[in-house]
Amino acid sequence: SAVISQKPSRDICQRGTSLTIQCQVDSQVTMMFWYRQQPGQSLTLIATANQGSEATYESGFVIDKFPISRPNLTFSTLTVSNMSPEDSSIYLCSVSGQGRVFGPGTRLTVL
Amino acid sequence: DAKTTQPTSMDCAEGRAANLPCNHSTISGNEYVYWYRQIHSQGPQYIIHGLKNNETNEMASLIITEDRKSSTLILPHATLRDTAVYYCIALPGGGSNYKLTFGKGTLLTVNP
Repeated sequence: SAVISQKPSRDICQRGTSLTIQCQVDSQVTMMFWYRQQPGQSLTLIATANQGSEATYESGFVIDKFPISRPNLTFSTLTVSNMSPEDSSIYLCSVSGQGRVFGPGTRLTVL
Repeated sequence: DAKTTQPTSMDCAEGRAANLPCNHSTISGNEYVYWYRQIHSQGPQYIIHGLKNNETNEMASLIITEDRKSSTLILPHATLRDTAVYYCIALPGGGSNYKLTFGKGTLLTVNP
């Protein structure tokens, strides 16, 4: 199965700023998925990212708030824009493989 | 996706078998049952999946009822490191690009 790394592993940010999270996969994959896990909650799918096309966002998530790039088949970024404390969560990327393979996550705290 | 129902939490003694149930009464014929677990603050980890036959791997066994309306994940000799939230998910077969939807899962606590 694919191996996924994410950067940063954690960060503490100020309200109103933006953070870009990187997801690197060790093999080429067609689709990448971005999830959010708020404190004490289960995972919620933010969007699905295909290489070469616009990401598809789930209900409640918009491109202006969570822009996604997918420049090639092994890499994607998720930006959390104009952050507020409600954005404090773990953000995870995922790719297909044995059902689904997940990265280690990025723990974001917004003050 | 078929909805799955799991108990909120379960306890198990270290060294004993942990049996985690999952109800998926509306599962369709092409949906597999997948199990993942999430150890605190880590990304979810794939455990096992099956369609209608029982499956076993180095981590666990999966028992699916004949009518496929429920299943049980068995950790044969639970250790403290098996303490985690376990998710049961129905996912279409061959749909490796299908979006995965997580419920609340079962918090399994393995006690010494």
